[in-house]
Amino acid sequence: DAGITQSPRYKITETGRQVTLMCHQTWSHSYMFWYRQDLGHGLRLIYYSAAADITDKGEVPDGYVVSRSKTENFPLTLESATRSQTSVYFCASRGTYTGELFFGEGSRLTVL
Amino acid sequence: AQTVTQSQPEMSVQEAETVTLSCTYDTSESDYYLFWYKQPPSRQMILVIRQEAYKQQNATENRFSVNFQKAAKSFSLKISDSQLGDAAMYFCAYRSAMNYGGSQGNLIFGKGTKLSVKP
Repeated sequence: DAGITQSPRYKITETGRQVTLMCHQTWSHSYMFWYRQDLGHGLRLIYYSAAADITDKGEVPDGYVVSRSKTENFPLTLESATRSQTSVYFCASRGTYTGELFFGEGSRLTVL
Repeated sequence: AQTVTQSQPEMSVQEAETVTLSCTYDTSESDYYLFWYKQPPSRQMILVIRQEAYKQQNATENRFSVNFQKAAKSFSLKISDSQLGDAAMYFCAYRSAMNYGGSQGNLIFGKGTKLSVKP
């Protein structure tokens, strides 16, 4: 199906473990984004990518790594998870003509 | 840096009534976009309405309309004939229309307003 999908939808992990959240879009949008959503903070930008092999930091990048070897995929990796990274993570891509963001369904990550 | 402020953490409305959610923003730019997104309990982020800053006419989508006051940097959302399905978190968001070094195309979000609809 066309759209933007995230996996896993739910993940529980332990402090210090590596976790990768996957994001896949079928529109061939150039721009993709990772946000985290925390109560009282709204959505904050972690990383974004303007195209394959072009990524840059957002507002809260510490503790996260991204890559974009293909236009359609934009994985987010927590190399050593911490409790403060417990959050809901949203991947999004930007529409070419409308400029709006299309969001995935979110991934709820719990770090114990 | 641009900021978006939603001053009402929670709002409540009676079914079939009208409610207005407030949003103000701060920017030095003249060309930008504003959005309202809805997030129901399913967590999905759904675009409700979009406004281009260069357009003076307020955007409307069915029961949803905005009051865009550019000089005041205000962008409120009015929901008419409220329905139970309107209950959700609503986020106001800003995006620059300029493509320059930085988070190009990124949306800057307010902290959200939780809307409850009473039957």
